Parts: sequence; structure tokens; C-alpha cells
Amino acid sequence: DVKVTQSSRYLVKRTGEKVFLECVQDMDHENMFWYRQDPGLGLRLIYFSYDVKMKEKGDIPEGYSVSREKKERFSLILESASTNQTSMYLCASLPTGTPDGTQYFGPGTRLLVL
Amino acid sequence: GNSVTQMEGPVTLSEEAFLTINCTYTATGYPSLFWYVQYPGEGLQLLLKATKADDKGSNKGFEATYRKETTSFHLEKGSVQVSDSAVYFCALSLNDYKLSFGAGTTVTVRA
Repeated sequence: DVKVTQSSRYLVKRTGEKVFLECVQDMDHENMFWYRQDPGLGLRLIYFSYDVKMKEKGDIPEGYSVSREKKERFSLILESASTNQTSMYLCASLPTGTPDGTQYFGPGTRLLVL
Repeated sequence: GNSVTQMEGPVTLSEEAFLTINCTYTATGYPSLFWYVQYPGEGLQLLLKATKADDKGSNKGFEATYRKETTSFHLEKGSVQVSDSAVYFCALSLNDYKLSFGAGTTVTVRA
């Protein structure tokens, strides 16, 4: 089974702090994604990466950056956390060549910014 | 652009009731369609999918049929259980590996 893990289930940070969210997948997938989940808005794509050191902006990249130095690891960075970044963050992965685009999700990190 | 609209919740049902969650989509092209489920405290997991018109996806007693003429992919289950309490997301994917999600529908099943 594909396993996608995220470094923390719950995180509390203060406004202005730099925050790192880590995601690791164990199935050698080329593509990785970061989403945020908010009630009534579903999941919105922040950034994705289709290869090591490659990244593309999703629908809501403002206030975020990402890093993909190794194939199995995709990090989401909040350079200066703000209260409107309080949310659930979900990481996903996907192998290239998947005919239907099924993504595999981690358990999520619930971030509270005070 | 691509978008998914799904029935607003929350939905509360009694055990053994019939569940329908409506989902319609707008897409430039021929998407694959998905239902993902999120159980309390967990991430999303794929419930079922369909990749072309008239395909029916099914899993755990849930079904959904890809209807191109009505651009819909409604989720149904004939007899729900308490363990089906979760948030359900409809989603689509074109050939760019990205998923577009609906807002999610929270379903609570009472014993």
C-alpha cells in the first residue's frame, strides 16, 4: 500500500513564525501536492511538484513556498505565518503515467496560527 | 475553467436509510471523476472513480455513474451504516494530474 506521512498531526504557531510542514511518500511517486482544506471550500491546491527541484503554483500559492530536494519528500513553508493560514493541510502523491489521476493522501496537519 | 459543485450539507440520516449526494461538474475536455471520503480525524481516501461516460464506479456499497449528458456523478448508497459517517468529496481530473474538488458534504448517520 502507498503510504504518505506528514510530520505533525497538530501544530500551533504564532503570527510571524516560519513554519515547515513535511510530507514523505514511500512509493517513488514523481508527483506531489499540497492542499489546504477549509469548511465549505473543499480542498484547494497550493503547490505541486512533478519532479525533484520542480514546482508549480496551484490555485492559492500566496504566502506559501515549497521545497522538493528529494523525490520522497515535499515540504510546505509558511515564511511568516498569519492567522488566515489556520487550516488543515493535506499532502498527496501520484505516480506519473497513472491513467486516471488517483491521488494518495496523507492524514493531514491541522495548523493553528495564533 | 474546471469546477465541481456538490450538494451542500450537512446531511443527517438514520441507519439503513438511502443516501444520495449530488455532484455536477464543468470541464474543458473529458475528465475522470472521483469520490473521496474523509473519516473523522483522517486524510482523504479514494472511495470510487469512473474514467469515461456511462462508467459506474462502486465500492463499499456506494455507487456513482458518470453521466456526460447531465455532467453529473451522483453518489448513492442503498442502506447506510453509522460507520459511513464522514465527509464526502466529489472531484475531477483532466490530463494534468491536478484534482479539482467540490466543497464536501458532511454525512452523519445515527443509530
